Amino acid sequence: DIQMTQSPSTLSASVGDRITITCRANQTINTWLAWYQQKPGKAPKLLISKASILKSEVPSRFSGSGFGAEFTLTISSLQPDDSATYYCQQYNTYSTFGQGTKVEI
Amino acid sequence: QVQLVQSGAEVKKPGSSVKVSCKTSGGSFSSSAISWVRQAPGQGLEWMGGIIPIFGTIDYAQRFQGRVTITADESTNTAYMELISLKSEDTAVYYCARGEDLVATVVKRYYFDSWGQGTLVTVSS
Repeated sequence: DIQMTQSPSTLSASVGDRITITCRANQTINTWLAWYQQKPGKAPKLLISKASILKSEVPSRFSGSGFGAEFTLTISSLQPDDSATYYCQQYNTYSTFGQGTKVEI
Repeated sequence: QVQLVQSGAEVKKPGSSVKVSCKTSGGSFSSSAISWVRQAPGQGLEWMGGIIPIFGTIDYAQRFQGRVTITADESTNTAYMELISLKSEDTAVYYCARGEDLVATVVKRYYFDSWGQGTLVTVSS
């Protein structure tokens, strides 16, 4: 099974900060990596697919990068609405999620 | 616009089974990749399995093999997930989710553009 490890587990930052969340796979997954945002009591929402493709209508302050086994999600200027838990997901072989990163503002 | 609407909350006894439905609209049901993902209270997301109707492909996560059955009815654009031999640890919100990228679908990659609203399944004696 492919394991996904996210860091940090929790991140506290201020409005306007640039933040980065890292996701590592225990084997190469090419660019079959997606990022989701989940707010309490709601279904997750897709932000980025294929490691770096921003879903339409997702604000451009979100960006993704990486290839192989190491990936990052960056929010260039944190906004109050970005308070949420973020998950990475590999879909190279079936599907596995990271354990999540809670972003507090 | 793709929409996924799931059936309502369920309360089940240990040892019983549950079947959750997911009616979809918009996009192409047959050429999408539909998955079921669950989330236990306060926990992360867990992929259970998926189906690609156009290829008749069904895949299950190893830990659910033998306990979960995923089906799709193309006449009604509805997907189903049945979980048997329920345990208290199966208490969770169950989501259906769908990926629309045809390139990903052709190579059997499960990611999720759209999600249902979630169905809470409570397993308790």
